[in-house]
Amino acid sequence: AQKVTQAQTEISVVEKEDVTLDCVYETRDTTYYLFWYKQPPSGELVFLIRRNSFDEQNEISGRYSWNFQKSTSSFNFTITASQVVDSAVYFCALRILTVGGGFKTIFGAGTRLFVKA
Amino acid sequence: GAVVSQHPSRVICKSGTSVKIECRSLDFQATTMFWYRQFPKQSLMLMATSNEGSKATYEQGVEKDKFLINHASLTLSTLTVTSAHPEDSSFYICSARHHGAMTNEQFFGPGTRLTVL
Repeated sequence: AQKVTQAQTEISVVEKEDVTLDCVYETRDTTYYLFWYKQPPSGELVFLIRRNSFDEQNEISGRYSWNFQKSTSSFNFTITASQVVDSAVYFCALRILTVGGGFKTIFGAGTRLFVKA
Repeated sequence: GAVVSQHPSRVICKSGTSVKIECRSLDFQATTMFWYRQFPKQSLMLMATSNEGSKATYEQGVEKDKFLINHASLTLSTLTVTSAHPEDSSFYICSARHHGAMTNEQFFGPGTRLTVL
């Protein structure tokens, strides 16, 4: 069965701290995609990253970085020097190809990040 | 740039009626649009991928006859919830990807809150 676990329901940090949001996934497929999305208090989703299972290179985009570890089935997201504007709910997702040839995307429950000034 | 709008932002309808939600890319052409559903306790679901000029690709478990998707132009996709029932009440979100985009980035609309009485 496929599953995405975001074990941290809520995290609270002080501005300028670094914070890592964990994402652990389960799948037997060798080909899959992993995503991170951000949903700020306004409610409008923001796409952050898509990574395919064959690309294990870590990615950095400004203050954001992602650590993909197939050995531990994790795709963790780190925000460096957090800012108040980073306060949001962050979702991790796994996308797989189903037996019938279609797709299925499984979302984690989300981690709510509070960044205090 | 990269603005996506949804109309209406909120809709209340009676059980048994059909509701159409529009998703428009305002300043770019979108070959691909996506429809998501967010449930009351924040969990997300990708419902389908909508490709301009062809049939939508539904995620496993999504009833295609219940949620009709049409992507008739490069700037417009519509989601029709047919014979809506209270359990269809949800926050429906669309996103769009640039035509010919080299990245996987999606741009999200503000969402449509559907309440079925």
